[in-house]
Amino acid sequence: NAGVTQTPKFQVLKTGQSMTLQCAQDMNHEYMSWYRQDPGMGLRLIHYSVGAGITDQGEVPNGYNVSRSTTEDFPLRLLSAAPSQTSVYFCASSFPSGRGLGGYTFGSGTRLTVV
Amino acid sequence: GNSVTQMEGPVTLSEEAFLTINCTYTATGYPSLFWYVQYPGEGLQLLLKATKADDKGSNKGFEATYRKETTSFHLEKGSVQVSDSAVYFCALSGNTDKLIFGTGTRLQVFP
Repeated sequence: NAGVTQTPKFQVLKTGQSMTLQCAQDMNHEYMSWYRQDPGMGLRLIHYSVGAGITDQGEVPNGYNVSRSTTEDFPLRLLSAAPSQTSVYFCASSFPSGRGLGGYTFGSGTRLTVV
Repeated sequence: GNSVTQMEGPVTLSEEAFLTINCTYTATGYPSLFWYVQYPGEGLQLLLKATKADDKGSNKGFEATYRKETTSFHLEKGSVQVSDSAVYFCALSGNTDKLIFGTGTRLQVFP
């Protein structure tokens, strides 16, 4: 099925551990992004990419790294997890239109808890 | 910078009631405006969009009109159903593909 696939769906980490959240899309979308969703704060942009080999920071990039070696994949790495990174993470992709008009396709999310 | 402000929820309605969820924005230039919907346990889905002043976006009985004079993009539906219960996000984009989201408004519809 075409769409955005995120793994894992749930994860519990201990403070200081590292992990990678996976995101893959099969729609040949050039634009991909990571958001975190926290109660009362909506969705905040972490990192985004306009194509393979190109990434940039969003609103809340600290503590996260990304890379984009292929069009399909856009993993998000937590280098040293902190309780403040407890959140629901969404990956989204779209065709680039220059104005968001392609409409984002979202994954179903990864619920991360850092203890 | 660009920002989106939504009314706080939850909004609680009976089935067949009229719905309005307020959204105002701050942006330079002429942003594109969107409403996304998130059903329980799922990611967000695009509900409707408008790209210029006075445009009306519509989908599944929902409507929103791009009002530049009031910098607003309020979401309306004439008769809500229980199945419309979800969280609704207003969003905008400037001249890039980055979307800026509001905080979301939870809608609860009871039979």
